[in-house]
Amino acid sequence: ETGVTQTPRHLVMGMTNKKSLKCEQHLGHNAMYWYKQSAKKPLELMFVYSLEERVENNSVPSRFSPECPNSSHLFLHLHTLQPEDSALYLCASSQESGSLNEQFFGPGTRLTVL
Amino acid sequence: GENVEQHPSTLSVQEGDSAVIKCTYSDSASNYFPWYKQELGKRPQLIIDIRSNVGEKKDQRIAVTLNKTAKHFSLHITETQPEDSAVYFCAPRVNSGYSTLTFGKGTMLLVSP
Repeated sequence: ETGVTQTPRHLVMGMTNKKSLKCEQHLGHNAMYWYKQSAKKPLELMFVYSLEERVENNSVPSRFSPECPNSSHLFLHLHTLQPEDSALYLCASSQESGSLNEQFFGPGTRLTVL
Repeated sequence: GENVEQHPSTLSVQEGDSAVIKCTYSDSASNYFPWYKQELGKRPQLIIDIRSNVGEKKDQRIAVTLNKTAKHFSLHITETQPEDSAVYFCAPRVNSGYSTLTFGKGTMLLVSP
C-alpha cells in the first residue's frame, strides 16, 4: 500500500491494557504527526516528529508515549487509558519539517477504551 | 496558538447549488491557508490551499478566497454534487513551528440529489 498506513484499524482495550498503534509512510517525508479526532471536536495535534526528533508535544498525558525509530515509522504506545481517550487516532506525514506543507493522513485507528 | 472558527457548522444544499464555507483566524502572521475534505469513514485530504501572496485560487469547481485584512478565507464549491458531501476543515498556518497546527471544528456539507 502506498501513502500513509496505520495498524490496527480498530482497537478495543481495557483501561489496564498496554497496546501500540503503528504508522508507516511510504512517501519519503521527513515529518510525522499524531492527531486525535473525537466526535464534534476539531482535530487535535498530539505529537510532531521531524527527522526522528520530537519537536512538539501538545500537553498530552503521559499515558500516551510516542516513538519514532526512523523517518518512515511512528508508534503511539498506550497504557492505562481512560474511556474519554476513545477516539480516532490519525497519523500524518509531510515532506519537510516546516509547517507549510500538505499533510498526508493515514486511515486512522478507531480506539475504544472500555 | 491560532484561534480558528468555521461557519457554518452544517450546510445543506441541493445538487447544483453553490456552497460557501468561511474560516476566520486570529494570528495575523498566518501565511498558508489549506482546506481539507474528510468523507465519512475516510481520512482527511487536502483539496485546495492558498498562500498569503495570492487572493484567490481556483481548481475546477472549487476555489479559495483570502481576505488577510479581515483575517478570513473561504472555500467555494460550485455546481455541487452528492460526492461533495463530507466534512471540510480549514487549517490556517504560521511558518513558525508546529504549535500553530490548528484545525477548525469542521463544516459538514450535505448535498441532496
